[in-house]
Amino acid sequence: KAGVTQTPRYLIKTRGQQVTLSCSPISGHRSVSWYQQTPGQGLQFLFEYFSETQRNKGNFPGRFSGRQFSNSRSEMNVSTLELGDSALYLCASSFTTGRHNEQFFGPGTRLTVL
Amino acid sequence: AQTVTQSQPEMSVQEAETVTLSCTYDTSESDYYLFWYKQPPSRQMILVIRQEAYKQQNATENRFSVNFQKAAKSFSLKISDSQLGDAAMYFCAYEGRNNDMRFGAGTRLTVKP
Repeated sequence: KAGVTQTPRYLIKTRGQQVTLSCSPISGHRSVSWYQQTPGQGLQFLFEYFSETQRNKGNFPGRFSGRQFSNSRSEMNVSTLELGDSALYLCASSFTTGRHNEQFFGPGTRLTVL
Repeated sequence: AQTVTQSQPEMSVQEAETVTLSCTYDTSESDYYLFWYKQPPSRQMILVIRQEAYKQQNATENRFSVNFQKAAKSFSLKISDSQLGDAAMYFCAYEGRNNDMRFGAGTRLTVKP
């Protein structure tokens, strides 16, 4: 089975731009979660989608948004980029939602904001 | 809010020996899950071990085991017979009723041959 894939793997943007990151979960998985990883703040939960609905949201401004499609693929969007948005963005998928489900992580998208 | 603390930024262990990574957490919930994740350099993060708070028995997965002390809110990871492939960042994580996972700052483990 193919693992979680994220595209693109690397991205460079300038302040004020917007960016869209994509995540394809493992086949059959319906839950997708997004995390931001930075040296200063560590790993922080952004949001979780299950069956095209946002289930949970972390403590991030409204500039961070996401969506999930009927095939479970998910995208996250960051508008009006700030320097502090530079980070590794990780996506994780699980068969269904709920804490008993193991999450499988993708390789991440490294976003650099100049 | 729930917080997860890993007090050891870096740890080192000799190959074949045992090392314990510490993790404490703060919560007012009684039903939650705790995890240890491993993030090797430039590789994907993978789940090492998982503990359900209502289970008294400590979880084990081959060479990996935990010491879960619910009253003390402590969740340490023991790696026995350390191997070179165990070198990685290890993250302790908590997931409560809200299903939003909170991670510790991580411990970088070095394995010396």
